[in-house]
Amino acid sequence: AQTVTQSQPEMSVQEAETVTLSCTYDTSESDYYLFWYKQPPSRQMILVIRQEAYKQQNATENRFSVNFQKAAKSFSLKISDSQLGDAAMYFCAYVGGGADGLTFGKGTHLIIQP
Amino acid sequence: EAQVTQNPRYLITVTGKKLTVTCSQNMNHEYMSWYRQDPGLGLRQIYYSMNVEVTDKGDVPEGYKVSRKEKRNFPLILESPSPNQTSLYFCASSSPGTGRTDTQYFGPGTRLTVL
Repeated sequence: AQTVTQSQPEMSVQEAETVTLSCTYDTSESDYYLFWYKQPPSRQMILVIRQEAYKQQNATENRFSVNFQKAAKSFSLKISDSQLGDAAMYFCAYVGGGADGLTFGKGTHLIIQP
Repeated sequence: EAQVTQNPRYLITVTGKKLTVTCSQNMNHEYMSWYRQDPGLGLRQIYYSMNVEVTDKGDVPEGYKVSRKEKRNFPLILESPSPNQTSLYFCASSSPGTGRTDTQYFGPGTRLTVL
């Protein structure tokens, strides 16, 4: 079974600074997707960014980018120019080649210091 | 607006009283799924459906039922709720490519408390 590990239960960053959230995963599959979801206090699950495993290029979405290291099974999220609205729980998630759902990490609570 | 809706958003009930949480999506997605979120455990899949009349168990299916009679709807049924089913529930949908799941879009969540 696949597992997703987020080793940082909580991270804190100053507003306008850059922060990186870590995620590692374990799988024997070669074709899969990886995601970062944001969960603000409203509890809504919001897709931040998605990476397809067969793509070498790291995904970017405005201030959000990933560092995808397939051989190392690592998928970190970098948030540049952190804003107060970025404060939330961030979940790393994996989905493989079948009909199974997402496998989530346990989350990282990101605090933005004004 | 493309969205996944859930009702109710909040529910307090008592042990043993049957309840249904509805989920509906307007994106014509084939794949729908239910998750529960508990502190320190992340989200775990309860049931999923690849299409109408096709459902299967996820990681934590005990105590739950689902049905998929229409493409847009995927209700979650708790026949005899117990306190250990107190949780935050999410419905999600996606349009799978080549028979696999893809990006999943989540509903707003249903906070269930079973006394």
